[in-house]
Amino acid sequence: QQQVKQSPQSLIVQKGGISIINCAYENTAFDYFPWYQQFPGKGPALLIAIRPDVSEKKEGRFTISFNKSAKQFSLHIMDSQPGDSATYFCAASLGEYGNKLVFGAGTILRVKS
Amino acid sequence: NAGVTQTPKFRILKIGQSMTLQCTQDMNHNYMYWYRQDPGMGLKLIYYSVGAGITDKGEVPNGYNVSRSTTEDFPLRLELAAPSQTSVYFCASSSPLDRGHGDTQYFGPGTRLTVL
Repeated sequence: QQQVKQSPQSLIVQKGGISIINCAYENTAFDYFPWYQQFPGKGPALLIAIRPDVSEKKEGRFTISFNKSAKQFSLHIMDSQPGDSATYFCAASLGEYGNKLVFGAGTILRVKS
Repeated sequence: NAGVTQTPKFRILKIGQSMTLQCTQDMNHNYMYWYRQDPGMGLKLIYYSVGAGITDKGEVPNGYNVSRSTTEDFPLRLELAAPSQTSVYFCASSSPLDRGHGDTQYFGPGTRLTVL
């Protein structure tokens, strides 16, 4: 019940295209859903996050879509650029003491120029 | 601010050896975390701390120990290293009091550990 399932494992997108990464969760008590971006040799960094009281959040070219009834959320990267090539992790937390995150397995995104 | 710093960057251990991975943050964050990252597995929480003197187990604590004597430092101890502990280790910190960013975890650059 604590798992977050992420797909696809890897994704190749043409420059200017839309990248879509999906995540699903089981625990309905999760109340915070961040996406982290990781470049090779670096630590993950927060990209964008959402709470279940909204269905969509947009920051620049990055959008999270959240479907509470389906227990799914996704990251859309519009106008994908080669600089977006990285590993993306979805995560979820219960917002409890310590705010512990449960991460998906990650998606390796490559944007071809 | 340097953020979250980790040392060493790389280390090779022999089976049965011990070592301590160092983590320091200069953001005055209460919460600190240790994760391990294995290929295709995402990040798994090893231990976390909500303040000096308070630590608790995460999802994969076996073979590790932690201590938190100060707000800034959160070292991870490996006793009797095993090949299964070959991984990349990340330390992170956050603060529930961080206005507008209370849930954001800030990660260090990682330590790549190989146990042979």
